[in-house]
Amino acid sequence: AQKITQTQPGMFVQEKEAVTLDCTYDTSDPSYGLFWYKQPSSGEMIFLIYQGSYDQQNATEGRYSLNFQKARKSANLVISASQLGDSAMYFCAMREAYGSSNTGKLIFGQGTTLQVKP
Amino acid sequence: EPEVTQTPSHQVTQMGQEVILRCVPISNHLYFYWYRQILGQKVEFLVSFYNNEISEKSEIFDDQFSVERPDGSNFTLKIRSTKLEDSAMYFCASALEDRTETQYFGPGTRLLVL
Repeated sequence: AQKITQTQPGMFVQEKEAVTLDCTYDTSDPSYGLFWYKQPSSGEMIFLIYQGSYDQQNATEGRYSLNFQKARKSANLVISASQLGDSAMYFCAMREAYGSSNTGKLIFGQGTTLQVKP
Repeated sequence: EPEVTQTPSHQVTQMGQEVILRCVPISNHLYFYWYRQILGQKVEFLVSFYNNEISEKSEIFDDQFSVERPDGSNFTLKIRSTKLEDSAMYFCASALEDRTETQYFGPGTRLLVL
């Protein structure tokens, strides 16, 4: 079973508008962390935002916010005021704190390609 | 700002050859990881390393793979006899702590096996 699901292979957004990238996850671990990474065409993985499963408030980092709905097991990334430089692949990832391995490995989704149109 | 570095950025090798991918994690980090991303696919976990030993390895990390931290700064991934399907981007990541801290990724090494 997929632990992280990103159902949008590709998304378009107009510059300066907001966009939401979907991510759902599956875990029975009571403690986990959710991450979003950006991968531009150059290939590097850039950390954007983190949400802990026990965090009461949604995480925010500048133009990025994470819409965390624990009951629905979703952790959608919201990018406000899109810029041309936001065009990239975006990956959602999860780390289980008490999983079978307990080594902190990240489990990634398939990614969503975001294209920002001028 | 401290960052993870990786060398080389690109490597082309012949099938059957050995390759060593190098990483310098962030200096005070204690947990180290290798991931790989086949072109157009998701990022996959290979191995985690802590206290000079492997903590966990995935099914991908077979006997052809090994990791080492030969000194206080470098963290290497060796592929003994490369196969065509090893062609991928390889990312090193490091974290201060395994359960709660963010993993920071290096820029990756793009490996092409011919």
